[in-house]
Amino acid sequence: GAGVSQSPSNKVTEKGKDVELRCDPISGHTALYWYRQSLGQGLEFLIYFQGNSAPDKSGLPSDRFSAERTGGSVSTLTIQRTQQEDSAVYLCASRPGLAGSGELFFGEGSRLTVL
Amino acid sequence: AQTVTQSQPEMSVQEAETVTLSCTYDTSENNYYLFWYKQPPSRQMILVIRQEAYKQQNATENRFSVNFQKAAKSFSLKISDSQLGDTAMYFCAFMIPNAGNMLTFGGGTRLMVKP
Repeated sequence: GAGVSQSPSNKVTEKGKDVELRCDPISGHTALYWYRQSLGQGLEFLIYFQGNSAPDKSGLPSDRFSAERTGGSVSTLTIQRTQQEDSAVYLCASRPGLAGSGELFFGEGSRLTVL
Repeated sequence: AQTVTQSQPEMSVQEAETVTLSCTYDTSENNYYLFWYKQPPSRQMILVIRQEAYKQQNATENRFSVNFQKAAKSFSLKISDSQLGDTAMYFCAFMIPNAGNMLTFGGGTRLMVKP
């Protein structure tokens, strides 16, 4: 596709359930990022993938959060045993690689609501 | 660690007027990128303008310009001839190239352009 695609756009779940959020980056972009945006707040870095290198997981808030990127393209963010404080918009972004302008291209996000 | 501070949670401006959004950052690095991103209600983050730290000349993109003061670690955004479509959240962001490559965001400024 032309841009970063995220699904689902909105997800409502019950506390304790697992959720998966999907990100399809721009074709050819080797770098992929996940950020979390709580209501009215700035963006909190979660995880970063660059090519075949080991991901930078330093932003993951707990071991309930994990992410994978298959085949260097699509990424899935998984949240296990969801809690109410996990409610937020989860934004995915991609960029061509280490070179270039540094600009990140963002998707429209997945809004997660944990009841 | 790098930090980005936006001291104005909310601002408003009359249509066609000029408004300046403030941003300060803290880093010990000498080479870095600075960005302003816009987030309209659609949630998708859009790059407004970027500045490389080694460039002394302030970046300009049509009605948007920055005042980059490296010694003061200040990076303000000026929007001239404000339009209703400029209503959005604006985020200042910082990146060190080739060192993690993640964007560190400020808390955002909500801008309302009034007719």
